[in-house]
Order: sequence, then structure tokens, then C-alpha cells
Amino acid sequence: AQSVAQPEDQVNVAEGNPLTVKCTYSVSGNPYLFWYVQYPNRGLQFLLKYITGDNLVKGSYGFEAEFNKSQTSFHLKKPSALVSDSALYFCAVRDIGSSNTGKLIFGQGTTLQVKP
Amino acid sequence: KAGVTQTPRYLIKTRGQQVTLSCSPISGHRSVSWYQQTPGQGLQFLFEYFSETQRNKGNFPGRFSGRQFSNSRSEMNVSTLELGDSALYLCASSRGQGVHEQYFGPGTRLTVT
Repeated sequence: AQSVAQPEDQVNVAEGNPLTVKCTYSVSGNPYLFWYVQYPNRGLQFLLKYITGDNLVKGSYGFEAEFNKSQTSFHLKKPSALVSDSALYFCAVRDIGSSNTGKLIFGQGTTLQVKP
Repeated sequence: KAGVTQTPRYLIKTRGQQVTLSCSPISGHRSVSWYQQTPGQGLQFLFEYFSETQRNKGNFPGRFSGRQFSNSRSEMNVSTLELGDSALYLCASSRGQGVHEQYFGPGTRLTVT
């Protein structure tokens, strides 16, 4: 069965420093991976996705993610963190068990705290 | 383009009642999925609809049901509410199935007392 793990409940970083939010996955076959961000009392906002191609994926708000097949990871990165980046981040994988389904399996989420 | 809208945003119900939540997808999007978000279980998939047909269902009891209309709008219904049904219910729409990213609405916060 497909699964996603976010090993850190919380990541703390100083404003202006680079940030990394970790995600590992387990799938049978090619993974389709997504990152979402959730601000308090809001729905999830799509940041970026990896389907195929270049291992470095660029997304919204200066975020990027690096797909690493050998390490089954899809870490979210940003070169310079902003206080406004503080939020809850979710990694997700598309369930390929059902043909052409859009079902997403989410990690437990990582709270990013950026301190001024 | 307007985003995904969900109504109502907040709802308080008592145990045993039923509730209907509504979702209007982004214009042109034909796929709608529903998720339940709780602090303990995180984000869990409920169901997915495409062209008025349920294409996938998560591991939830039969008290949870849904439907999609010809204009792609969707509703989900929960009957015989239990305290454990208290959650944020999120609707997401996408252009199609498969690899298309899903765009989420703000959610409906359901509290069961």
C-alpha cells in the first residue's frame, strides 16, 4: 500500500535561513508526489508536484522540492525562509492502486515555525 | 477564477442528527474529492466523484455518503452523527483524475455535541 511519512512534527528556522521539510514515500511503481500548505482555519494550498522528469521541481512562493528515487524522498526546500512561511505542510502521494484515481494519501504534516 | 467554495463554513449538530455539506468546484473542474481532517487521524480520503459517478471510496462507514450533480457541484451527507465525526471536511476539485493537482476549499468545520 502507498504511504507517506513526514518524520518531523515541527521544524524551526530563523528568517532568512534555508529551510527543509522532509518527506519519504513508499509506493509500488512510479510515484506522483505533491506538497500542500495549510494556514490556520484555511484549506490546503497546492505548492508543487512531481510527476516525471527533472528531479528538482519548482513551485509557488519560492518553494522547490527534490525528488530522490534511491532514497524514496521528496523534501521541500526554500533558500530563504520568511516569517509568513510559518504554516502546516503536507506531503502527499497519489494512490496508484486504483486506475486513474485522484485519491491522495497524506503524511501527518509538519509545522514550520519561522522566527524573526 | 473563483476557487472552491464550501458551505456552510461552520456547523454544530447533536449526536444522532444528519448533516449535508456542499461543495462548488472551480469552474471547468469535473473531479471532486472529499477529505476528513482531524488532529488524531490527519487527512483521510472520503470519496472521489467524476462526471457524477463515484470513482473511489475511502474506509469510512456507510453513514458517509455523497453525490455529484451534472454541474459538478457535490454534496456529502453524514447520517446518525457521532462525536467522532467532529472534524474539518475539505472538498477538493481538479480538472480531471490522475495526475492533476487538487485545489482545496476552505472546509466545513463540523462540531458534534
